[in-house]
Amino acid sequence: ETGVTQTPRHLVMGMTNKKSLKCEQHLGHNAMYWYKQSAKKPLELMFVYSLEERVENNSVPSRFSPECPNSSHLFLHLHTLQPEDSALYLCASSQGDRASQETQYFGPGTRLLVL
Amino acid sequence: TQLLEQSPQFLSIQEGENLTVYCNSSSVFSSLQWYRQEPGEGPVLLVTVVTGGEVKKLKRLTFQFGDARKDSSLHITAAQPGDTGLYLCAGAYGTYKYIFGTGTRLKVLA
Repeated sequence: ETGVTQTPRHLVMGMTNKKSLKCEQHLGHNAMYWYKQSAKKPLELMFVYSLEERVENNSVPSRFSPECPNSSHLFLHLHTLQPEDSALYLCASSQGDRASQETQYFGPGTRLLVL
Repeated sequence: TQLLEQSPQFLSIQEGENLTVYCNSSSVFSSLQWYRQEPGEGPVLLVTVVTGGEVKKLKRLTFQFGDARKDSSLHITAAQPGDTGLYLCAGAYGTYKYIFGTGTRLKVLA
């Protein structure tokens, strides 16, 4: 059991659509992350939440809007995306916030295609 | 801008061969992690190295952290088809901050 689930696993959307990605962790962790994985580019950290508070926003365009209603759930709301936003979006969680000592557990990702 | 460069990018070898993957940066990290990612899945942590010069072994995998904590290597002995996957290194610094490497895609042929 991965402990971190993501839905949907695949998503195709037009540039004018609004959609949301959902992540749920069953590990009792306090921190949750959104990453973007594009072909030929390193995994990019997008957002970090700790105890439901956003603590990191890596210059992500406003067409991506995260939400963390509680420590087990994380959403990524998508609006007016561009074709270059097509990628695998990964959610992860960790127990605490000290990067050097934490193990991140990743979900399987949502494969997003923007037409 | 911090950057982690991995080499090689692609590697195709025969079962039983040995290989080494390198992860290099000009930045110092408080720790470095190695992950393996299989198609359709998220990355799975293999090991975390924290101390400069540290060596960790995980069965046929040997991980080393450079003395200056700027680079790392992953050595696989007698590779097997089950080792096939995308290997990622990630440097940790500060709070919540991780930089991932460019990845090494390994294919082990039976």
